[in-house]
Amino acid sequence: NAGVIQTPRHKVTGKGQEATLWCEPISGHSAVFWYRQTIVQGLEFLTYFRNQAPIDDSGMPKERFSAQMPNQSHSTLKIQSTQPQDSAVYLCASSRGVSGNTLYFGEGSRLIVV
Amino acid sequence: QQQVRQSPQSLTVWEGETAILNCSYENSAFDYFPWYQQFPGEGPALLIAIRSVSDKKEDGRFTIFFNKREKKLSLHITDSQPGDSATYFCAARDQGGSAKLIFGEGTKLTVSS
Repeated sequence: NAGVIQTPRHKVTGKGQEATLWCEPISGHSAVFWYRQTIVQGLEFLTYFRNQAPIDDSGMPKERFSAQMPNQSHSTLKIQSTQPQDSAVYLCASSRGVSGNTLYFGEGSRLIVV
Repeated sequence: QQQVRQSPQSLTVWEGETAILNCSYENSAFDYFPWYQQFPGEGPALLIAIRSVSDKKEDGRFTIFFNKREKKLSLHITDSQPGDSATYFCAARDQGGSAKLIFGEGTKLTVSS
């Protein structure tokens, strides 16, 4: 049984470029979460979907970040006009139930903006 | 504003000792408190969790002690092993509806042999 799959594992992008990160949740899981992890800020909640519908995006920086879940098998996090402060590990997690009691995290996508 | 706080930031214990990791929170509406374990290069993984109706949860060498009145909890790892060396995150969820978890800053545990 495969876990949460995130691609790419590493991405280096130039300042001002766009970055798209992909997440494939565990099959049958109904909720998908995105978190950002940095040394300074720790694990920050960004957004989550339940049954593909956006439920809570309270952690998303409003202007350049967007997330979608076009079908039950993948979600994307897009960052436009990337800035050095966007450098982080972006973690995707899924959970079986809608309450999100147990989050199963992927290994993360490390984004470096130069 | 950090809603979930952990201490110490780092902790070193000898193999066989008990490691105690502390967590505190501010929001009285938090009702679910999982601890996640993270190894370098990996995503966090659920280790053990407790709900606010309980004051203790045990799973093998891992025990959570919960004090609702003081808004504090702690994770005790008995008979610590080198393989327990990892970063441990305390998290909390608001019973108000959103399933998001709020994580603390983490405690990096090193178990020396």
